[in-house]
Amino acid sequence: HSVLTQPPSASATPGQRVTISCSGNSSNIGSNYVFWYQQLPGTAPKLFIYKNNQRPSGVPDRFSGSKSGTSTSLAISGLRSEDEADYYCAAWDDSLGGPVFGTGTKVTVL
Amino acid sequence: EVQLVESGGGLVKPGGSLRLTCTASGFTFSIYNMNWVRQAPGKGLEWVSSFSSSSRYMYYVDSVKGRFTISRDNAKNSLYLQMHSLRPEDTAVYYCARGSGDPGGLDSWGQGTLVSVSS
Repeated sequence: HSVLTQPPSASATPGQRVTISCSGNSSNIGSNYVFWYQQLPGTAPKLFIYKNNQRPSGVPDRFSGSKSGTSTSLAISGLRSEDEADYYCAAWDDSLGGPVFGTGTKVTVL
Repeated sequence: EVQLVESGGGLVKPGGSLRLTCTASGFTFSIYNMNWVRQAPGKGLEWVSSFSSSSRYMYYVDSVKGRFTISRDNAKNSLYLQMHSLRPEDTAVYYCARGSGDPGGLDSWGQGTLVSVSS
């Protein structure tokens, strides 16, 4: 089954902006909503962005999502040490019949 | 507060069976789609199976079709995953996750239960 493609790592110094890309195809990102999950070390994933660019309550507005065609990205501005985590994009996949996840990006605050 | 608590993981030999349970609280369990997602050690997330709120539809990733069975008991607020013919590649933390209502969205997750398949 298809997997969404993300860079394995991204890093920046505190206060800077980091952007994570995620690439899919027409059966997933191209035709369905995108979601982003944050996974802190040793914990379960947590929904951070839903319906392409919406933030659940409690998620800081430093986090923003966008989508264009079959790609999506997550931007974190004003990077903080507590943002160090793995981030996964996800979308429903019409051919899978379920959600497909990205390969994951580890964000490091230098 | 929404809570999902998985149990039933453990060490099993290849070819063995295991039954996972997810016990939900803090929301009306019966009206939500429920899912199992797994994460192999040091790897990414993989959706495994889902069960619709209507209890009509069950879906599986190809790699577990014919070996895993998802079920739910709305009276007990519980989701289950019966796993047979387990393989070493099934080794992972298995998470129970609630569907958000939007296709592909999972808005609450349990803490996970570890399944290890090894001789």
